[in-house]
Amino acid sequence: AQSVTQPDIHITVSEGASLELRCNYSYGATPYLFWYVQSPGQGLQLLLKYFSGDTLVQGIKGFEAEFKRSQSSFNLRKPSVHWSDAAEYFCAVGANNNDMRFGAGTRLTVKP
Amino acid sequence: EAEVAQSPRYKITEKSQAVAFWCDPISGHATLYWYRQILGQGPELLVQFQDESVVDDSQLPKDRFSAERLKGVDSTLKIQPAELGDSAMYLCASSFRADTQYFGPGTRLTVL
Repeated sequence: AQSVTQPDIHITVSEGASLELRCNYSYGATPYLFWYVQSPGQGLQLLLKYFSGDTLVQGIKGFEAEFKRSQSSFNLRKPSVHWSDAAEYFCAVGANNNDMRFGAGTRLTVKP
Repeated sequence: EAEVAQSPRYKITEKSQAVAFWCDPISGHATLYWYRQILGQGPELLVQFQDESVVDDSQLPKDRFSAERLKGVDSTLKIQPAELGDSAMYLCASSFRADTQYFGPGTRLTVL
């Protein structure tokens, strides 16, 4: 069965600094990969997704992620973090939208 | 932009009482999902519908939880009786094709 590991429970970065959130997955075939963001008390908003093709995918709010099959990773990046990016970030893996598994999340704090 | 609607947003109940949550997916989305998200964790799938049929309810505690989507549009998730361990965020999501899930704002349940 597929699984997702987000090694960092909590990350703090300064506003304007770059960000990388790690995600490792376990899946037997080519996975569908997603990053979602959740603000406190809110639902999940899709940032970006990877199904096939170009391994570097662009998302909303200036985020991007790179699929690396050899490392079973799908790390999320942003070159310059804004205070409004403070939230919980979830990586997810699935196949054809069935049995999608989420990681435990990484909480991002942005220092002024 | 169309959104997934959920109500109520917050619910406080006492243990052994019955509670119900409602979800209205994005129009035209045939697949509907209910997730439970315990504080500090990622969402976990409870039940998945394709139109009015249940596709996956393997993680639904069927002794106390039930879900229905009678006309293949909106859906209700019920817990009876509620237990202290049911305190969580209940998220509804929908998808049009077998790719991206769109989430509602969730219902925060507190069981006292």
